[in-house]
Amino acid sequence: DVKVTQSSRYLVKRTGEKVFLECVQDMDHENMFWYRQDPGLGLRLIYFSYDVKMKEKGDIPEGYSVSREKKERFSLILESASTNQTSMYLCASKGPLAYSYEQYFGPGTRLTVT
Amino acid sequence: EDKVVQSPLSLVVHEGDTVTLNCSYEVTNFRSLLWYKQEKKAPTFLFMLTSSGIEKKSGRLSSILDKKELFSILNITATQTGDSAVYLCAVATMEYGNKLVFGAGTILRVKS
Repeated sequence: DVKVTQSSRYLVKRTGEKVFLECVQDMDHENMFWYRQDPGLGLRLIYFSYDVKMKEKGDIPEGYSVSREKKERFSLILESASTNQTSMYLCASKGPLAYSYEQYFGPGTRLTVT
Repeated sequence: EDKVVQSPLSLVVHEGDTVTLNCSYEVTNFRSLLWYKQEKKAPTFLFMLTSSGIEKKSGRLSSILDKKELFSILNITATQTGDSAVYLCAVATMEYGNKLVFGAGTILRVKS
């Protein structure tokens, strides 16, 4: 079974703090994704990575950066947290098969910025 | 701009009812449509649909895709309280990494 883990289930941070969200997958997947999920808006893609040290902006990258130094680990960084970044953050991974589009999700990190 | 729209946004039914959830899409370079179920944790995969008119079934759940009319439905028969969840529809595109474009989700609550 694919396992995607995220470093924290719940996180409370103050405005202006630098925040690191970590994601690890154990299936040697090339592709990894970071989403945020907000009520009524569904999942929106922040960044994704298709290989080590490679990254692409998603639909809402502003205020975020990412790091992929090892294949199994994909980090999301909030350089200076703001209250509008309070959200559920979901990490996902996907294998290389061209005909399989399924992404495997971690349990999510609920981040509150006060 | 790629768009996925789900309806209804929320639904309350009684155990034993049959429900139909809808998903319509407008995306360039469509590859596949996926359904996920999300309880208070990670979304779990239900179905992937790539061809029109071929029903996929898993127990009481079934789904079908219409690529001409650009929509999919997810049916749940004989609903149970354990079916209460958010159901997410997503479309995979041809873009690098096969990004998924998600709808807002349908919140289903099944009352006993």
